[in-house]
Amino acid sequence: GAVVSQHPSWVICKSGTSVKIECRSLDFQATTMFWYRQFPKQSLMLMATSNEGSKATYEQGVEKDKFLINHASLTLSTLTVTSAHPEDSSFYICSAGPLAGRTFNEQFFGPGTRLTVL
Amino acid sequence: QKEVEQNSGPLSVPEGAIASLNCTYSDRGSQSFFWYRQYSGKSPELIMSIYSNGDKEDGRFTAQLNKASQYVSLLIRDSQPSDSATYLCAVTSGGSYIPTFGRGTSLIVHP
Repeated sequence: GAVVSQHPSWVICKSGTSVKIECRSLDFQATTMFWYRQFPKQSLMLMATSNEGSKATYEQGVEKDKFLINHASLTLSTLTVTSAHPEDSSFYICSAGPLAGRTFNEQFFGPGTRLTVL
Repeated sequence: QKEVEQNSGPLSVPEGAIASLNCTYSDRGSQSFFWYRQYSGKSPELIMSIYSNGDKEDGRFTAQLNKASQYVSLLIRDSQPSDSATYLCAVTSGGSYIPTFGRGTSLIVHP
């Protein structure tokens, strides 16, 4: 249980284009999903918290107009990187949780999407 | 500012030894504690969660929590080369489900 998928697993795009990344909870409903970014050999950086049916909450320093997040259902959240530039190249990871009725507030991570902007 | 501190390592142990990974946190209101394993180029995988003081064992893994001293540790018994990864400590506080992650400790288990 508690499986989270992401699509695509990797993407290469040209500078100036937009890229959409999907995050799905496959076997549970996720009222909250989280989007992280991780540069090589760096720690996870939380970008935003996404709640179903409401606007995402962005961390300080993350441009909400550049990183558009939509959480339209209890099983799907999307991150769109608009007008991508080479400095946006990174490993984008979503997570979902906690599970309803659980004592712990575990998050379950998707496999990640590696974005390369040329 | 909630902080979670981990020694970045690398921690190098021989195969079969016990690996001990430590994490300290600043918020005394912290309630839930997690250990994630992250292989190079992969996303984190939850391996242990602990809520109460004391030890929690799951297979070769034991999580230890000491709220008075504000630390949580992870012991890996009979370490295997496949345990070589970065181990992330995460903490949630006061009803929040948004964890604060440490920077991770790199573990190398050599044959």
